[in-house]
Amino acid sequence: EIVLTQSPGTLSLSPGERATLSCRASQSVSSSYLAWYQKKTGQAPRLLIYGASSRATGIPDRFSGSGSGTDFTLTISRLEPEDFAVYYCQQYGSSPWTFGQGTKVEIK
Amino acid sequence: QVQLQESGPGLVKPSETLSLTCAVSGYSISSGYYWGWIRQPPGKGLEWIGSIYHSGSTYYNPSLKSRVTISVDTSKNQFSLKLSSVTAADTAVYCCARDVSYFDYWGQGTLVTVSS
Repeated sequence: EIVLTQSPGTLSLSPGERATLSCRASQSVSSSYLAWYQKKTGQAPRLLIYGASSRATGIPDRFSGSGSGTDFTLTISRLEPEDFAVYYCQQYGSSPWTFGQGTKVEIK
Repeated sequence: QVQLQESGPGLVKPSETLSLTCAVSGYSISSGYYWGWIRQPPGKGLEWIGSIYHSGSTYYNPSLKSRVTISVDTSKNQFSLKLSSVTAADTAVYCCARDVSYFDYWGQGTLVTVSS
């Protein structure tokens, strides 16, 4: 199975700053079949990005995804207060679908 | 708006079978897509368990396949998870979601604790 490694584990930033989150795969993710989710405590995960760079319905354009092969990035251009959460990547290029361990974006 | 809601016992004894149901509203399961289960043990990451199509076709994570059964009831617009021979390692928040290979709609999740 494809193992996804997210870095950093925790990102301490202030509102208005730029957040760059990394997701590295143990082998190439076919067709850039990579998604990103936001998770807040007590809430359902929220799909942000699919196909490595396509924003899901209703997702603000401050969220962007990029990358291919084994290296993917989620960028939040300017952090809003509601963006502080845990972010997960998921690959769906090869079954079993697998997730990264998450990056927590916390208020500095 | 598609909504999913998990239900089932919050406490299961070791060696017994965990059973959960996911009720779907705002979309008919019979219309298509796969429907899946994902779990998150306390302090750990997300793990996909398996998914089912409205026809009953399933695919499972090989790491759990020997203990997992997912079924669908289109008349009630719901699908279910059974995980047998549970241990403390199966303690987790269990979420259901619509599986379009990625997961676009999720339930909030339900905590299942395995303990005697």
